[in-house]
Amino acid sequence: EAGVAQSPRYKIIEKRQSVAFWCNPISGHATLYWYQQILGQGPKLLIQFQNNGVVDDSQLPKDRFSAERLKGVDSTLKIQPAKLEDSAVYLCATRAGPTNYGYTFGSGTRLTVV
Amino acid sequence: GDSVTQMEGPVTLSEEAFLTINCTYTATGYPSLFWYVQYPGEGLQLLLKATKADDKGSNKGFEATYRKETTSFHLEKGSVQVSDSAVYFCASSGGYQKVTFGTGTKLQVIP
Repeated sequence: EAGVAQSPRYKIIEKRQSVAFWCNPISGHATLYWYQQILGQGPKLLIQFQNNGVVDDSQLPKDRFSAERLKGVDSTLKIQPAKLEDSAVYLCATRAGPTNYGYTFGSGTRLTVV
Repeated sequence: GDSVTQMEGPVTLSEEAFLTINCTYTATGYPSLFWYVQYPGEGLQLLLKATKADDKGSNKGFEATYRKETTSFHLEKGSVQVSDSAVYFCASSGGYQKVTFGTGTKLQVIP
């Protein structure tokens, strides 16, 4: 089974620039998550999709972050404009069923904002 | 809301030493519990899980038992190896809800 693919692996941008991350989930996994992992901390949920609908985006900073999941498959996460505190690893995860299945994570995109 | 508390690291052990990483949780109902591992430069991988009280999850020599009475899910391994050096995250979730992660515990095993 192919894993969760994310790109790019690394990105360095200046503050106030925009950036986009891409996630290709495991085929057939209906639920997709974007997490933000700041260095030294545990992952924090940004947004959860069920197919192409948003289930939970309560912790997404909507003034600068946006996400979409077209046709319930690939997803993109965008930051515009970026701030220094957005420097983190952005993780995409998917699961096939209820949460007792556990997540499958991608390798993440490491964003550095300078 | 749900939360997970795990012991702070880093934890430094000699090879073949016994490992315990403590984890406690607060949640409504009876969540599923997980340990994830993150090797340097990689994403998180599911290490083991337990879905109900008294269940024991195990994988690669690691074990954790779901203790409802103490709301704990401590990770143990009898003899660690250098290759176990990583960051370990305890996590909990109920039903179709999001998974809540602890802050992670870095383990360093020295030869």
